[in-house]
Amino acid sequence: DAGITQSPRHKVTETGTPVTLRCHQTENHRYMYWYRQDPGHGLRLIHYSYGVKDTDKGEVSDGYSVSRSKTEDFLLTLESATSSQTSVYFCAINSGRSSTDTQYFGPGTRLTVL
Amino acid sequence: GEDVEQSLFLSVREGDSSVINCTYTDSSSTYLYWYKQEPGAGLQLLTYIFSNMDMKQDQRLTVLLNKKDKHLSLRIADTQTGDSAIYFCAEAPGGYNKLIFGAGTRLAVHP
Repeated sequence: DAGITQSPRHKVTETGTPVTLRCHQTENHRYMYWYRQDPGHGLRLIHYSYGVKDTDKGEVSDGYSVSRSKTEDFLLTLESATSSQTSVYFCAINSGRSSTDTQYFGPGTRLTVL
Repeated sequence: GEDVEQSLFLSVREGDSSVINCTYTDSSSTYLYWYKQEPGAGLQLLTYIFSNMDMKQDQRLTVLLNKKDKHLSLRIADTQTGDSAIYFCAEAPGGYNKLIFGAGTRLAVHP
């Protein structure tokens, strides 16, 4: 599992509330990613990070923000959750220091927005 | 634009070979990947192929790459019930290894 944990693993929240998901890694990898998984779409990239305080947008970044204040933690925040953000969220890391190294995924967080 | 396409469902008999197909659009991808997802679990990297290779074999898995047609396939020999899962192909065009996934192929293995 490349030392990746996600918390919480499950969350139910109401529309309009803020939500923060945490990804934690233990192996000092430089590159970290947040994806969401929805039926019929596979996984789609939300945001990614290439170092502490270095982040950029992915394909589906609207409504999401991220922060990386230390190497081991990458936080995904939904400022005001909407029902369209009901999904399974996966964090991933690269296995090495190069951006072309292979990617490993965390166990996922299932988020339901009512 | 970038798009990765897979058929959504495949059913095979236990012991037969399974072939899962994928087409991708971006010829600049350095690597192409196959991931496996079991119910309720995260994604597990199965194998990957470098873009200048035609074939890669890893035990029961064989990956074939046709760069001209932008076609990738995963063959699983002697398919077992434990192989039942969703299989995703993915490409990584551009920098930072940002993966683009297909929608996934659900493999059902029956006796």
